[in-house]
Amino acid sequence: EAQVTQNPRYLITVTGKKLTVTCSQNMNHEYMSWYRQDPGLGLRQIYYSMNVEVTDKGDVPEGYKVSRKEKRNFPLILESPSPNQTSLYFCASSPQGLGNQPQHFGDGTRLSIL
Amino acid sequence: AQKITQTQPGMFVQEKEAVTLDCTYDTSDPSYGLFWYKQPSSGEMIFLIYQGSYDQQNATEGRYSLNFQKARKSANLVISASQLGDSAMYFCAMRENFNKFYFGSGTKLNVKP
Repeated sequence: EAQVTQNPRYLITVTGKKLTVTCSQNMNHEYMSWYRQDPGLGLRQIYYSMNVEVTDKGDVPEGYKVSRKEKRNFPLILESPSPNQTSLYFCASSPQGLGNQPQHFGDGTRLSIL
Repeated sequence: AQKITQTQPGMFVQEKEAVTLDCTYDTSDPSYGLFWYKQPSSGEMIFLIYQGSYDQQNATEGRYSLNFQKARKSANLVISASQLGDSAMYFCAMRENFNKFYFGSGTKLNVKP
């Protein structure tokens, strides 16, 4: 089954404790992206990747890191999480960033930073 | 300036009636794409419909159609014959500069029986 898999689905942690949210897709998509969803703000793009070793900042990259060492994986790293990073996070992928290809979204990861 | 504006935080519609969800956008990129997604209470993001900036005709997908008015920079979603299962959050999104995506704040639609 074609899917984008995020782990963990839920995480409660404390300020300053490094964490990684994994994202994996099995559709051989070139384009992958991370978003955060906050009430009243919709989804905001954090980082995206056009292909292996090619990443770039989205609208709200501060406090986040990403890497794309393999085509299928695109982990989101919070080196020193803070309470303002409490949010619902989505990973998404598409064949490419061009054209009419919609993004396939993971089920989301709800992070609570205390 | 906001890239995507959805001015209706919440809307009600009677079952079987049509409803229009508003979306305006702002871009100077001549080649952009517009998407609508549905997010039910279970949380997943479901793609509904796409309109490209160069598309001459309004996009349609089943009960969904997109009223694209390029000069006014609007891309309203029309849902015909609303069903109870249409109750959800709806997001308008824009792809710009090939790689960047912007989402609106969403419209919560409630379909009344």
